[in-house]
Amino acid sequence: GESVGLHLPTLSVQEGDNSIINCAYSNSASDYFIWYKQESGKGPQFIIDIRSNMDKRQGQRVTVLLNKTVKHLSLQIAATQPGDSAVYFCAVGNTGGFKTIFGAGTRLFVKA
Amino acid sequence: SAVISQKPSRDICQRGTSLTIQCQVDSQVTMMFWYRQQPGQSLTLIATANQGSEATYESGFVIDKFPISRPNLTFSTLTVSNMSPEDSSIYLCSAGPVSGELFFGEGSRLTVL
Repeated sequence: GESVGLHLPTLSVQEGDNSIINCAYSNSASDYFIWYKQESGKGPQFIIDIRSNMDKRQGQRVTVLLNKTVKHLSLQIAATQPGDSAVYFCAVGNTGGFKTIFGAGTRLFVKA
Repeated sequence: SAVISQKPSRDICQRGTSLTIQCQVDSQVTMMFWYRQQPGQSLTLIATANQGSEATYESGFVIDKFPISRPNLTFSTLTVSNMSPEDSSIYLCSAGPVSGELFFGEGSRLTVL
């Protein structure tokens, strides 16, 4: 089965700095990767995704990098803001299996 | 996109009772899922809710404990049966396309005494 892990349980950054959240996955057959943000008391919210035929994808202030060789995924947040404080989950899916498996989560603290 | 409404948003229940959580999506979606999230932890997939047929359960979850219904493309229920304090958790409904972005409800926070 799939297991997804994160390198750090918490990350504290200064407002305005860049944040990098890492994630490792185990199943080389996984072909769809997603980052979600979860604020306190709410359900996870989609941030950005990437498919296995890409190694980088950019959104508004966020970039996802995929390294299939080492089965590693990262989320980069540029110019981190207090509103970015939340728990971030990487999630892994497979077009054949349909279901999405979530990683352990990293709590991001943004210091003003 | 899809907006997902769950109810109840929270409940306190007695040991041995059952609670049904409802999930309503504002548009027709292909996939619906139920997750459980313990405080401070990640989301664990309970099952995939299949329209008009039995749900597909993940390892460690069984139909007798977590019966799920999905009578149409926009509605599903999860029942937590014969509850114990270990069932205290947040239960999240999600929906989306096959292999795509999932949309989540706000969750149902269940406390079992």
